[in-house]
Amino acid sequence: EIVLTQSPATLSLSPGERATLSCRASQSVSSYLAWYQQKPGQAPRLLIYDASNRATGIPARFSGSGSGTDFTLTISSLEPEDFAVYYCQQRSNWPPRATFGPGTKVDIK
Amino acid sequence: QVQLVESGGGVVQPGGSLRLSCAASGFTFSSYGMHWVRQAPGKGLEWVAFIRYDGSNKYYADSVKGRFTISRDNSKNTLYLQMNSLRAEDTAVYYCANRIFDYWGQGTLVTVSS
Repeated sequence: EIVLTQSPATLSLSPGERATLSCRASQSVSSYLAWYQQKPGQAPRLLIYDASNRATGIPARFSGSGSGTDFTLTISSLEPEDFAVYYCQQRSNWPPRATFGPGTKVDIK
Repeated sequence: QVQLVESGGGVVQPGGSLRLSCAASGFTFSSYGMHWVRQAPGKGLEWVAFIRYDGSNKYYADSVKGRFTISRDNSKNTLYLQMNSLRAEDTAVYYCANRIFDYWGQGTLVTVSS
């Protein structure tokens, strides 16, 4: 079973700053990695799929990179609405299941 | 537009049962596999189950295997999760999501408590 580790657990930044979030897989997941944003009381929102592709309607300040076991989500300049929890996810096509990382909380410094 | 609306959550005693529903609209439901994902209070996301577009194959997390059953009625555009032998650790918000997780419902809260 693949285990995802996210770091840091919490990232305290100011609006306008750059955020760099890390996700590491216990074994290679190729490029089958996604990133989600979740705000309190809301469902997760897909940001990035297949490591580096922005989902529909996601602003260009969000970007993803990496392959194999090491992945990064970058928010180039934090907007007030970006303060939230971010999860990475590995999705296997066969058998179809998913594993989520524990999350990184981006809060206001 | 795509909508997924869960219902059926509530408070149930340990050992009890509950059936969740997820009503889908805005897309061809019968063409897509669907997932259930849950989130315990203050915790992260946990994948629960997946069902293929035609209901022919079902997959479960080890934590719910043998207790939960995922099913669907394509004539009603509805996904289900039958939950039996519920435990305190099943307390969570349950979300339905489409095959590639780009659409999620708003979630329904299940509380297992005596």
